[in-house]
Amino acid sequence: DGGITQSPKYLFRKEGQNVTLSCEQNLNHDAMYWYRQDPGQGLRLIYYSQIVNDFQKGDIAEGYSVSREKKESFPLTVTSAQKNPTAFYLCASSNSPGGLSEAFFGQGTRLTVV
Amino acid sequence: GENVEQHPSTLSVQEGDSAVIKCTYSDSASNYFPWYKQELGKGPQLIIDIRSNVGEKKDQRIAVTLNKTAKHFSLHITETQPEDSAVYFCAASAYSGAGSYQLTFGKGTKLSVIP
Repeated sequence: DGGITQSPKYLFRKEGQNVTLSCEQNLNHDAMYWYRQDPGQGLRLIYYSQIVNDFQKGDIAEGYSVSREKKESFPLTVTSAQKNPTAFYLCASSNSPGGLSEAFFGQGTRLTVV
Repeated sequence: GENVEQHPSTLSVQEGDSAVIKCTYSDSASNYFPWYKQELGKGPQLIIDIRSNVGEKKDQRIAVTLNKTAKHFSLHITETQPEDSAVYFCAASAYSGAGSYQLTFGKGTKLSVIP
């Protein structure tokens, strides 16, 4: 089945640690995105990538980093510089690298800082 | 950049009644407007979308209307059922520079359908 897979579903991090969230898609989509979701805040764009080996900052990129070495993979690292990392993280991909077509979302990773 | 406002933030309706969610956007160049449904603990799923050259689109019990002059669009759900209970997000796609577009989301509407 084609789709987008995020792992793990739940992740706990100690303060001061970096942690990497995985996102894999087998839809052959060029564009991939990372969003952060907080209660009452909707979805806010962290980073996006329109093609392999290229990515751009979204609205809230500080404290995060990404890589796009393969078309199907777009991992997100939450660094210790992110002051309030506890949130629900959503990865998405789309066929059109312009946000002009359906974005397919993964099931999300809930990150909690302990 | 684009700003999307969504109202109401919560909505309760009786089963069988209609539900309407409204969004406004700020960038007149936006040209793609999707609506997503998110169930608890899951990722959002597209339920309907509309492009700027169309004023209305319908898919069974769901319809979306777009008024480009006023820069607002709405989601209409008729004959609501308990399984329609979820959080709904509107979004608008606008040019963000360097040949790319971004989807900007509203803050969501939690819809509760009371049996």
